[in-house]
Amino acid sequence: DAGVIQSPRHEVTEMGQEVTLRCKPISGHDYLFWYRQTMMRGLELLIYFNNNVPIDDSGMPEDRFSAKMPNASFSTLKIQPSEPRDSAVYFCASRPTGGSYNEQFFGPGTRLTVL
Amino acid sequence: GENVEQHPSTLSVQEGDSAVIKCTYSDSASNYFPWYKQELGKGPQLIIDIRSNVGEKKDQRIAVTLNKTAKHFSLHITETQPEDSAVYFCAASIFGSARQLTFGSGTQLTVLP
Repeated sequence: DAGVIQSPRHEVTEMGQEVTLRCKPISGHDYLFWYRQTMMRGLELLIYFNNNVPIDDSGMPEDRFSAKMPNASFSTLKIQPSEPRDSAVYFCASRPTGGSYNEQFFGPGTRLTVL
Repeated sequence: GENVEQHPSTLSVQEGDSAVIKCTYSDSASNYFPWYKQELGKGPQLIIDIRSNVGEKKDQRIAVTLNKTAKHFSLHITETQPEDSAVYFCAASIFGSARQLTFGSGTQLTVLP
């Protein structure tokens, strides 16, 4: 398996522009997570899905952030409009369902820079 | 909700020495404590985990200890090597439940040659 795939790996954009980050979870995994990592705040859970349904989006910082999961193999995190303080590394992770699995498998991340 | 605190935030050790990273948690219901390692430019990766039915678990040079009474757990790396240099995160959860991982703030470990 190729693992969790994220694209793009790097994104540089100007303030006010729309940014879309993409994630393909590991096949068969029913949970998908979006995290944001910064020096100041560490690793923050933004939102997670179970079977394509958003379960907890309490970590989404503002209405400028939205996430979708139209099918089991694809998710997007959109920021519109972007601001310099959104600069961070965004990780997608997935894990299988079932009573004995808690390990999350992380993608390589997308480094976002908003100028 | 759960709160996980991790110390120290940075740690430098000489190659061959041991490194210890400590975490405390707040929710006594938590019973699953994984440790993730994040190498430069990569996502975190699980390296070892422990459930509350044991007090210690070892995997080669890595060990994790758990004190449920005090609500703290630690990662021990012996005979450190340069490739151990990374950011390490502890986390807490309830095994097999829908409650997701709560991560600590991370420790940047640097192993000096």
